[in-house]
Amino acid sequence: GEDVEQSLFLSVREGDSSVINCTYTDSSSTYLYWYKQEPGAGLQLLTYIFSNMDMKQDQRLTVLLNKKDKHLSLRIADTQTGDSAIYFCAESGYNKLIFGAGTRLAVHP
Amino acid sequence: DTAVSQTPKYLVTQMGNDKSIKCEQNLGHDTMYWYKQDSKKFLKIMFSYNNKELIINETVPNRFSPKSPDKAHLNLHINSLELGDSAVYFCASSRQGQGAYGYTFGSGTRLTVV
Repeated sequence: GEDVEQSLFLSVREGDSSVINCTYTDSSSTYLYWYKQEPGAGLQLLTYIFSNMDMKQDQRLTVLLNKKDKHLSLRIADTQTGDSAIYFCAESGYNKLIFGAGTRLAVHP
Repeated sequence: DTAVSQTPKYLVTQMGNDKSIKCEQNLGHDTMYWYKQDSKKFLKIMFSYNNKELIINETVPNRFSPKSPDKAHLNLHINSLELGDSAVYFCASSRQGQGAYGYTFGSGTRLTVV
């Protein structure tokens, strides 16, 4: 079945690294995505990883993919207050995205 | 230029009314979607259209009727609104259903049924 799971909350101190984890079910997913949603706003594509990659780095963001365990993670280095948002993991299904429930990241001083 | 635009941004209406939400994309994408985000922020696909043809209908009540007059537009009409329809509705578009650049989402329409 289709199921993407994430922990619901993460609290970090400003300047620390944040790691948001996700597990997915469909091993045939070609792409896996991370979206960011700020309060009252829409969904912003943060980054994606192709299924034949293990890691992708994009400035402060590092995505790790473990296909064997169907585990995806997003690491945000030097987390800032502007990073406070909900982060959604998503896998590409047939003509649709399947989202996790979202991880609410709170950054405190 | 806004890539995926939805109107209205906010919609407050009474139970039993009929309402429409409009969506337009100027990205040249051929696939458009409606997603519903409930009060717990859970996002779920409702409909998907490719080149004006319906390809996904995820067991949405038939009070919801999408209409795609052309590839750039996908509107959502809702009949006999119920309290449980209160949610944020997101329109999105993509190239051929999926891809490296993912999906582009509109800013959402917050529907409140009272």
